[in-house]
Amino acid sequence: AQKITQTQPGMFVQEKEAVTLDCTYDTSDQSYGLFWYKQPSSGEMIFLIYQGSYDEQNATEGRYSLNFQKARKSANLVISASQLGDSAMYFCAMREYNNDMRFGAGTRLTVKP
Amino acid sequence: NAGVTQTPKFQVLKTGQSMTLQCAQDMNHNSMYWYRQDPGMGLRLIYYSASEGTTDKGEVPNGYNVSRLNKREFSLRLESAAPSQTSVYFCASSGGWFSNQPQHFGDGTRLSIL
Repeated sequence: AQKITQTQPGMFVQEKEAVTLDCTYDTSDQSYGLFWYKQPSSGEMIFLIYQGSYDEQNATEGRYSLNFQKARKSANLVISASQLGDSAMYFCAMREYNNDMRFGAGTRLTVKP
Repeated sequence: NAGVTQTPKFQVLKTGQSMTLQCAQDMNHNSMYWYRQDPGMGLRLIYYSASEGTTDKGEVPNGYNVSRLNKREFSLRLESAAPSQTSVYFCASSGGWFSNQPQHFGDGTRLSIL
């Protein structure tokens, strides 16, 4: 069964600094996708970034990058130059081929001015 | 472009009452999903529809039914609401049932069962 672990219930970061949110996963499949979502206090779920298991390069989307270490089964989200608007819950998710998406419990990020 | 629209946004029910949560997407997506989110937990899949005309159970289907009305609409029904079903419900859609397809979410429905 798929399992996603986010070990940091809460994180703090100073504005303009970088922060890494941890995510490890468990799968025996070779083909899978990894996703990160942001949930602000308003409640909506916003897709941030995707990494495929066969992708050799780490995914990047603007200030977001995904540090993918396949052998360690980790997919950490790196946010550079943090902004106050980055304060939110962040969820890591994985989807094996032909299987449903599973989410971690989330990390609450607070950006300090 | 609305994306995924859920109605209602808030609802309070009494135990035993029934209701249907509505979801519509305008992105011409093939796959649609219903999740619930409880405090301190990530989202858990209730039911999904990989394509129009098909529905399947997810991780937590008990107490729910779904209908894929057409390609755009996917509804979730609580036949006899229970307090354990108090949660935030999210509808999502994706282009297809493949691992590289991100899911796009509606704004959620906050449901309280008294």
